[in-house]
Amino acid sequence: AQSVTQLDSQVPVFEEAPVELRCNYSSSVSVYLFWYVQYPNQGLQLLLKYLSGSTLVESINGFEAEFNKSQTSFHLRKPSVHISDTAEYFCAVSESGSGGSNYKLTFGKGTLLTVNP
Amino acid sequence: DTGVSQNPRHKITKRGQNVTFRCDPISEHNRLYWYRQTLGQGPEFLTYFQNEAQLEKSRLLSDRFSAERPKGSFSTLEIQRTEQGDSAMYLCASSRVDGGAETQYFGPGTRLLVL
Repeated sequence: AQSVTQLDSQVPVFEEAPVELRCNYSSSVSVYLFWYVQYPNQGLQLLLKYLSGSTLVESINGFEAEFNKSQTSFHLRKPSVHISDTAEYFCAVSESGSGGSNYKLTFGKGTLLTVNP
Repeated sequence: DTGVSQNPRHKITKRGQNVTFRCDPISEHNRLYWYRQTLGQGPEFLTYFQNEAQLEKSRLLSDRFSAERPKGSFSTLEIQRTEQGDSAMYLCASSRVDGGAETQYFGPGTRLLVL
């Protein structure tokens, strides 16, 4: 079984400040890692993912996350946030493996990022 | 690629009534997932299909819940004899397994309120 812990339920920051949203996971097997973003009354949009290879992954809108296997973490960072980044962010894991696996996602409880002017 | 669509977007019903939600996945995605998201929580897995076969159901999916995916295309999720505790956002996601890995793409969700 897997679990995901997002340590901060809310993170308020000012515009153009850096931000880090923390995510730790627990799993007895190898995992894939994801960050999804959810705007009010909308579904989830994939922000970035780690499947294999380089442990640092980036999104097209300036976010990045680094997979740290020893610390079982996948923290999300952005060096300078915009008001439009205000949303809820979910970290998720799925079991990696062969094509026969069920890649169901296990989510954290989410972190509400509020960017103030 | 028009994305995953879900209908209706909102549903208000009275306790004891039956409701049905529909999910249309991205075309050619062979896997389809249902999740439930309650207020202040992350989504929780309910069930998934590979093509038309339902391969796993969560313990969250009581016998009042049934899901189908006829012909491996769209899927429906039915809740019979709704209870107030069923109030939640129901999310559908689809994916295609590629090289042993997959990425799930979510629809906008159906928000259910049971009065």
